[in-house]
Amino acid sequence: SQTIHQWPATLVQPVGSPLSLECTVEGTSNPNLYWYRQAAGRGLQLLFYSVGIGQISSEVPQNLSASRPQDRQFILSSKKLLLSDSGFYLCAWSVAGETQYFGPGTRLLVL
Amino acid sequence: AQSVTQLGSHVSVSEGALVLLRCNYSSSVPPYLFWYVQYPNQGLQLLLKYTSAATLVKGINGFEAEFKKSETSFHLTKPSAHMSDAAEYFCAVSGGTGNQFYFGTGTSLTVIP
Repeated sequence: SQTIHQWPATLVQPVGSPLSLECTVEGTSNPNLYWYRQAAGRGLQLLFYSVGIGQISSEVPQNLSASRPQDRQFILSSKKLLLSDSGFYLCAWSVAGETQYFGPGTRLLVL
Repeated sequence: AQSVTQLGSHVSVSEGALVLLRCNYSSSVPPYLFWYVQYPNQGLQLLLKYTSAATLVKGINGFEAEFKKSETSFHLTKPSAHMSDAAEYFCAVSGGTGNQFYFGTGTSLTVIP
């Protein structure tokens, strides 16, 4: 069966520090991968999606970047965090536009 | 571009009462439609999905949704609410470049004992 992992689960970082969140998927090949952000009490904002290794599409210009170094690995990064980067970050995968499956999420607090 | 509208950001029902969460989509072609549930500090969990088979879709935890093409709606219902149903519910439609998913803004369900 397929599983999706995210880490860390919780992260507290100072403003201006770098960020690296990792997402890995097991049990499937060549998935579409997605990064979402969910601000407190808000809906989902699609940040990046990827249809293959090295292929990244950005939905919202911002302080963040994404990379896909391996088929089932998706990384969200920032060189310098802003206060507005705080939120709940969700990774998801799907195959051919079928159901999206979500990871457990990472709670990021920037102070 | 496709879009999803969820009417009512907050819905309160009494325990045992009918749950009705509304979702309308904007698309010229019947898409894949989904309902997800999110409990606090957790990821989204699939409740049910419509993939052009039966228009009445049954999901987990006693939820079901009916696809109505003429109304471009996909409302979520449950005959009798339980306390454990209190959560955030998201309607979504898939399609577009990169197999993107479009989510509604969510409906927070409160169940009153």
